[in-house]
Amino acid sequence: GQNIDQPTEMTATEGAIVQINCTYQTSGFNGLFWYQQHAGEAPTFLSYNVLDGLEEKGRFSSFLSRSKGYSYLLLKELQMKDSASYLCAVRDGDYKLSFGAGTTVTVRA
Amino acid sequence: GAVVSQHPSRVICKSGTSVKIECRSLDFQATTMFWYRQFPKQSLMLMATSNEGSKATYEQGVEKDKFLINHASLTLSTLTVTSAHPEDSSFYICSAGGASVTEAFFGQGTRLTVV
Repeated sequence: GQNIDQPTEMTATEGAIVQINCTYQTSGFNGLFWYQQHAGEAPTFLSYNVLDGLEEKGRFSSFLSRSKGYSYLLLKELQMKDSASYLCAVRDGDYKLSFGAGTTVTVRA
Repeated sequence: GAVVSQHPSRVICKSGTSVKIECRSLDFQATTMFWYRQFPKQSLMLMATSNEGSKATYEQGVEKDKFLINHASLTLSTLTVTSAHPEDSSFYICSAGGASVTEAFFGQGTRLTVV
């Protein structure tokens, strides 16, 4: 099975930056995903990393280090609408996607 | 991007009845689809992997006779919750994607309430 760890909750101020860390242990590796999920809705795709390094997409960036089994999602210029749960997910050697428990981010004015 | 459509979005059923949830890939062929279940304030838990033209692969602890999966075509997978009980009330989500795509596409999810 997979072991994916991320913090349970984080709080930040509007306009600030928040970094959500994710560590993982998997049997085989075929990519790491970050999703945003609002309560009662399906997850929406944010980013995908399969090689080491930083992927930047607007206000969101994601970093991967395969040797360390580590990733982070960086949210810049936080907005109130960014308050949501952020899920780290790893695709293993069988192309199954396993999810971490999610990090609830609360953005305060 | 690719679209996965899931239906119904909400369903309420009586205890003991069966409910079928459909998951369709609208603009691509999905040889593999995944079914997840999510309880309140918890993450998505993989229930089973649905393979077109063959039997589904269930995760440990998931009853295959209770959660029937059919993947008869490259664009449709169905999950049937048989003899539903209140503890089956949950958010069920399907996804599609594989080696040839860089992201897994999710359906809108189905909120099942068993009364």
